[in-house]
Amino acid sequence: EPEVTQTPSHQVTQMGQEVILRCVPISNHLYFYWYRQILGQKVEFLVSFYNNEISEKSEIFDDQFSVERPDGSNFTLKIRSTKLEDSAMYFCASSDGGYSYEQYFGPGTRLTVT
Amino acid sequence: AQSVSQHNHHVTLSEAASLELGCNYSYGGTVNLFWYVQYPGQHLQLLLKYFSGDPLVKGIKGFEAEFIKSKFSFNLRKPSVQWSDTAEYFCAVTRVQYGNKLVFGAGTILRVKS
Repeated sequence: EPEVTQTPSHQVTQMGQEVILRCVPISNHLYFYWYRQILGQKVEFLVSFYNNEISEKSEIFDDQFSVERPDGSNFTLKIRSTKLEDSAMYFCASSDGGYSYEQYFGPGTRLTVT
Repeated sequence: AQSVSQHNHHVTLSEAASLELGCNYSYGGTVNLFWYVQYPGQHLQLLLKYFSGDPLVKGIKGFEAEFIKSKFSFNLRKPSVQWSDTAEYFCAVTRVQYGNKLVFGAGTILRVKS
């Protein structure tokens, strides 16, 4: 069964550094998403992406964040200058945009900012 | 504030006990409703979803959920739990015509004792 993959599984970085989290969505999917979950808190929507542009973003997704689909398979989330409060599990999801709009989630990347 | 509420953060049951996990949402208008499960060390997986039609929906692994529009609820049920149902369960909502972002509840950690 096709699945969403994410790399790395765990990333440790120092405050102020840039990080890029990578996702490979399911190949025929058209809609891509990033969510995050800070330890002990809810899973929160960050951004959705369709047709090579952001279709919706949350207030969390400020100028420090960006997303890109650099080729036909990868979908990346970049945090330009990480803060301690960016420490969280980041989940990528994709959907085919069909009626069901079911989103398939990757295993997540645990980002630790020190 | 508009949100998704899950009533219990931790539930412990013995095998063969019946399960009901509560979920309420506070959005008006038409919604799509989901239950996701996250088994230890694994990614979020869809258990079941409701878009329209029969308000009683059946999902994988013997789970079902009932949409009660008047109560803004979408409770998850299973008549007889197994040790392998130990996991975290998330209720989530998308608002039709407001994009595809999932809004998650806080999650319920279910522990089934063998």
